[in-house]
Amino acid sequence: QVQLQESGPGLVKSSQTLSLTCTVSGGSISSRSYYWNWIRQPAGKGLEWIGRMYTSGSTNYNPSLQSRVTISVDTSKNQFSLKLSSVTAADTAVYYCARESYDFLLHYYYMDVWGKGTTVTVSS
Amino acid sequence: DIQMTQSPSSLSASVGDRVSITCRASQSISSSLNWYQQKPGKAPNLLIYAASNLQSGVPSRFSGSGSGTVFTLTISSLQPEDFATYYCQHSYSTPYSFGQGTKLDIK
Repeated sequence: QVQLQESGPGLVKSSQTLSLTCTVSGGSISSRSYYWNWIRQPAGKGLEWIGRMYTSGSTNYNPSLQSRVTISVDTSKNQFSLKLSSVTAADTAVYYCARESYDFLLHYYYMDVWGKGTTVTVSS
Repeated sequence: DIQMTQSPSSLSASVGDRVSITCRASQSISSSLNWYQQKPGKAPNLLIYAASNLQSGVPSRFSGSGSGTVFTLTISSLQPEDFATYYCQHSYSTPYSFGQGTKLDIK
């Protein structure tokens, strides 16, 4: 059973770079059957998709964050990472990583395994 | 980018009630629509994928329908554990987006 676990600093200073890691256990991040996503949720608000990556290293980002976001993979550690630069208070949120399963022929794409989330606070 | 709008934003109901939540897309997304349930302090949990496919392990009282721009999540008989916030999400193309959420609470 695949599990995902987010890790990283809970407090980041304004203008610095937020760095989080998602560790995948119970399965291989190199599998061609999945994408690997980051999603965030400010306290009391809705979900915002940040971006995703495929095992090949290809990425897709939310245009609203694209200039500041980098998602990368470390297959040797079975991990993928999120870096968000030049953070402000608006980036304070719970950050989730999630596995996205897909069926290319049927065009089914859905996030079926999520980490528990990690809270990141941006301080001034 | 595709925008998702849910209605209602909040809903009060009783155990045993049948409830429906609607999600509208700003353009046609075929059947590329997923539904998630989120309880306080927890990660979202996938209920329905591709508009009408029940995720493994999800009770059959949950069902989804729709295609194009209008979609519905229905809970046939509310159980105490169903009181939560529900989100729709399109997966037609990136960037993905979620609806603003529907909070379902006890009447």
